Amino acid sequence: GAVVSQHPSWVICKSGTSVKIECRSLDFQATTMFWYRQFPKQSLMLMATSNEGSKATYEQGVEKDKFLINHASLTLSTLTVTSAHPEDSSFYICSGAQGYEQYFGPGTRLTVT
Amino acid sequence: EDKVVQSPLSLVVHEGDTVTLNCSYEVTNFRSLLWYKQEKKAPTFLFMLTSSGIEKKSGRLSSILDKKELFSILNITATQTGDSAVYLCAVEDVRTYKYIFGTGTRLKVLA
Repeated sequence: GAVVSQHPSWVICKSGTSVKIECRSLDFQATTMFWYRQFPKQSLMLMATSNEGSKATYEQGVEKDKFLINHASLTLSTLTVTSAHPEDSSFYICSGAQGYEQYFGPGTRLTVT
Repeated sequence: EDKVVQSPLSLVVHEGDTVTLNCSYEVTNFRSLLWYKQEKKAPTFLFMLTSSGIEKKSGRLSSILDKKELFSILNITATQTGDSAVYLCAVEDVRTYKYIFGTGTRLKVLA
């Protein structure tokens, strides 16, 4: 149980375009979802905490207007990278929280050209 | 500021060796410490530790937490090439449910 999916698993987009990444909890309801970013050979960095039905809470240094998060239901959160630039290229991972435990999605590799 | 520090940053061993990975933390509102293994995808869960001195074991992997000295170790015995990965330590903040990740230890096991 406790499976989280992400879609797409990888995406290539042109600079200036927007990209939406979906995170779904498949077999549980996640009132809280977390979004992480991971640069090559670095650890996971928490970007934001997403709570169903309310605005996301962003970590310091993360631009909320650039990384739009919507948590419209108990099983779906989306991250939209707006006006993407090459420096946004990264591995984006979401997790769904069930109680105190987080279950990670498989990640989305974004490459901005 | 809360932080989680792992050592060593990288490690190269031969198959059959035993390795010990370290994780120290300074987190005010500690709830649990978690170990993950990450290959070329999202991290996979290994252990969750909440109590001091109780070893958790899964096959050749084991881990223990010392809440007084604020650290944990992950042991891997009889290493195999399939153990090559980045091992991540994370500490959960009991107030916010957030996980604070360490830098990771990159382990390479040579045949």
